[in-house]
Amino acid sequence: SYDLTQPLSVSVALGQTARITCGGNNIGGKNVHWYQQKPGQAPVLIIYRDSNRPSGIPERFSASNSGNTATLTINRAQAGDEADYYCQVWDSSTVFGGGTKLTVL
Amino acid sequence: EVQLVESGGGLVQPGGSLRLSCAASGFTFSRFWMSWVRQAPGKGLEWVATIKQDGTEKYYEDSMKGRFTISRDNAENSLYLQMNGLRVEDMAVYYCATVEPVGWYFDLWGRGTLVTVSS
Repeated sequence: SYDLTQPLSVSVALGQTARITCGGNNIGGKNVHWYQQKPGQAPVLIIYRDSNRPSGIPERFSASNSGNTATLTINRAQAGDEADYYCQVWDSSTVFGGGTKLTVL
Repeated sequence: EVQLVESGGGLVQPGGSLRLSCAASGFTFSRFWMSWVRQAPGKGLEWVATIKQDGTEKYYEDSMKGRFTISRDNAENSLYLQMNGLRVEDMAVYYCATVEPVGWYFDLWGRGTLVTVSS
């Protein structure tokens, strides 16, 4: 089965840039999607097919995918960005990363 | 308003059965692939099952094959998950979600329904 590796936690100072990685074997050859989940809420799609933002998602959220690592970047981090973030790919079946807890200091 | 609303969760003993429902509104349900995704307490997301628009194709995560059955009723704008032989490890919040087949991602999510498996 295909494995996706995310750091358990990432911290960022208010207003700074956060980067959350998602590692997988040749993940650059796959479509990577990202979800944000705030405590007690359902996940929300924030990036699809590597770098596309659904309508309503701020431009502060961006992503890239190359080689063995996909990266979600959150510019000008806000307190409201504190959440768990999950990457996801399809490789014979749907695979989620373990999730990364983002803390805004 | 575009939304998915799950129901049917609750407390069930190990080995028991439960049927979850997901009511869709605000969009043309019959045009969408649909999935169930679950999240055990304090854990990450886990895909459960997916069904094609007309119900002719169904896919399951390996550990749930033979125990779980996904189905839909397009006339009722509803998605279902029949769960049999429930185990303690099946305890989770179960979400229904629309699936975008180009890239295979989950576009719209419901708020989830909690399934508790305990004696």
